[in-house]
Amino acid sequence: DVVMTQSPLSLPVTLGQPASISCRSSQSLAYSDGNTYLNWFQQRPGQSPRRLIYKVSNRDSGVPDRFSGSGSGTDFTLKINRVEAEDVGVYYCMQGTHWPRTFGQGTKVEIK
Amino acid sequence: EVQLVESGGGLVQPGGSLRLSCAASGFTFSSYGMSWVRQAPGKGLEWVANIKQDGSEKYYVDSVKGRFTISRDNAKNSLYLQMNSLRAEDTAVYYCARGFGSLWGQGALVTVSS
Repeated sequence: DVVMTQSPLSLPVTLGQPASISCRSSQSLAYSDGNTYLNWFQQRPGQSPRRLIYKVSNRDSGVPDRFSGSGSGTDFTLKINRVEAEDVGVYYCMQGTHWPRTFGQGTKVEIK
Repeated sequence: EVQLVESGGGLVQPGGSLRLSCAASGFTFSSYGMSWVRQAPGKGLEWVANIKQDGSEKYYVDSVKGRFTISRDNAKNSLYLQMNSLRAEDTAVYYCARGFGSLWGQGALVTVSS
């Protein structure tokens, strides 16, 4: 199975400051159709997960443009431009290239 | 409204069975592959199973192979997860999710305990 490794696992941030989460996969996530199926999810306390980013860098509808995704191959990053209070929660990367699908361990974002 | 609504969770004894359902509305259900994802109490997300749009292909995580069966009824806009031989480690909130996670339900809690 493809192992997804996130860092850091805990991320205290100051409101208005940037934040960055790394996600590394044990195998390349590039698929034969030319796409790379790496997604990012946000799970606020007490809520269901919500997808923020699909195929590395595409924002889902309604996702603020302070969220951005980048990367290729085995190395990916989620960036929050200026953290707001509503961004508190756990962030997960997930690969959709290989079976079984696998998630990272999650990164807990909290306000300092 | 575009939504997924799970039902069928509850308390079951080890070795027992349970069937989860997920009702889809507001979108063309038959156009999407569907998944079940679970989250044990205080833990991260674990993908459990996936089914293609027409039900022709199914995939499972190793820990549930031979015990869980994913199925769908496109005429009823519904997704199912039949869970047999349940173990304590299957205790979790089970979410149904559309495609690559573009839409999630509110989750159904399954507790396996004597």
